[in-house]
Amino acid sequence: AQSVTQLGSHVSVSEGALVLLRCNYSSSVPPYLFWYVQYPNQGLQLLLKYTSAATLVKGINGFEAEFKKSETSFHLTKPSAHMSDAAEYFCAVTVRGGSNYKLTFGKGTLLTVNP
Amino acid sequence: EAGVTQFPSHSVIEKGQTVTLRCDPISGHDNLYWYRRVMGKEIKFLLHFVKESKQDESGMPNNRFLAERTGGTYSTLKVQPAELEDSGVYFCASSQWGAGGPTDTQYFGPGTRLTVL
Repeated sequence: AQSVTQLGSHVSVSEGALVLLRCNYSSSVPPYLFWYVQYPNQGLQLLLKYTSAATLVKGINGFEAEFKKSETSFHLTKPSAHMSDAAEYFCAVTVRGGSNYKLTFGKGTLLTVNP
Repeated sequence: EAGVTQFPSHSVIEKGQTVTLRCDPISGHDNLYWYRRVMGKEIKFLLHFVKESKQDESGMPNNRFLAERTGGTYSTLKVQPAELEDSGVYFCASSQWGAGGPTDTQYFGPGTRLTVL
C-alpha cells in the first residue's frame, strides 16, 4: 500500500518569498510522484511529475521538486511566490509500472500569498 | 483539444434521491478514472475503466454506487439512494494507452460538487 503525507494543510507566504510545500511518501515499490494544483473553481492541473528519470524535476509556472529516496520526500519549491500561485496543491503517488496508475493523494496544502 | 469535462458542476439533492454524474474524457483516451474528495479528506480513487471495461473498482464505497462506460466513451456515476456521507467533489480523469498499459499522466476534469441534504 502507498501513502502520502503533506505537512501543513495551510501555508502562507509573502509575495516574492520562497514557496516550500512538503510531501513525504510511503511505497514498498519504486514510485512515480506527482504534484497537482487546483486553482479556485477549476480542476486539478499537473504541475510536474517524477517518473524515474532526473531526480530534480522542473514543472510549469517556475515550480520544481526534488525526489529524495533516502528521505522519501518530494517537496515542491518555487523561488519567488506570485499572487497567482494562491491555490491548493496536492502531492500524489502511484506504482511505477503498475497496471492502472491509480493515484494516492495527500490531503492537500492550501497556499496563500500575501501582498 | 477539449479537456475532460464533467456535468453537472454542482448538484444538490435530498437524502434518498438518485443522482447521475457524467464525465467526458479527452478524445482518444482509453483510460478513465473516478475519484472523490470528501470535505477535509484526501482525494480517493474510486474506479478505473479501460474502454468500456472496469479494470479496478476497489475504491467504490458500496453498492449504492454504479459506474458505467457504455461504448468506451463517456462515463456515468450513479448514486442511488444518496446518503449524507456521499457529499463531496467527484473528479474524473483520463489518460492514454501506452506501450502495454496506461500512460502515467492523468488529466483531470473540474469535478462535480455533490451536496446531499
